[in-house]
Amino acid sequence: AQTVTQSQPEMSVQEAETVTLSCTYDTSESDYYLFWYKQPPSRQMILVIRQEAYKQQNATENRFSVNFQKAAKSFSLKISDSQLGDAAMYFCAYRPNTGNQFYFGTGTSLTVIP
Amino acid sequence: EAQVTQNPRYLITVTGKKLTVTCSQNMNHEYMSWYRQDPGLGLRQIYYSMNVEVTDKGDVPEGYKVSRKEKRNFPLILESPSPNQTSLYFCASSLSRLKASKQFFGPGTRLTVL
Repeated sequence: AQTVTQSQPEMSVQEAETVTLSCTYDTSESDYYLFWYKQPPSRQMILVIRQEAYKQQNATENRFSVNFQKAAKSFSLKISDSQLGDAAMYFCAYRPNTGNQFYFGTGTSLTVIP
Repeated sequence: EAQVTQNPRYLITVTGKKLTVTCSQNMNHEYMSWYRQDPGLGLRQIYYSMNVEVTDKGDVPEGYKVSRKEKRNFPLILESPSPNQTSLYFCASSLSRLKASKQFFGPGTRLTVL
């Protein structure tokens, strides 16, 4: 069974500081795709960053970067220079290459303290 | 504007009264999907469709039906809603051929079953 675990239900960070959200997943696949989605209070789901498992280089999108550890099945999200607009629920998601389902974690609620 | 639309956005109904939540996308995407979001459980996939007339069950399909008669539309049908189907529902679409493709999410439908 494919599962995605986000062990931190809530996190907080001071504005302008850095925070890391953790995500682990369980799979027997060797090729797959990982995503981080942001859900602000508006409820809209927004793609933050994605990583293809066959790529060793960690993905980066402006202030957002990931630490992808394939052997450990870990996919953490680092947010640098945190801004008030980063406050949201963050979901980690997994998609195997051989299947067509998506698997989401339970989410981490991030608070940014001014 | 590229978008996924859902209707209605809010719905309160009673147990056993059949309902349909519509979903439409204007991006010519092959892949469409329905999720439900519940506190502490994250997003769970209900059904997905790889293309017209091709649908598959996700993790929580019980009590739901879908159809994909046209590429742009993917309605979610609750034949006999029950209170445990009270949830926030999201429709999403993406390009099938690109497994790393970004999913575009609709704005969500808040369903309450009394």
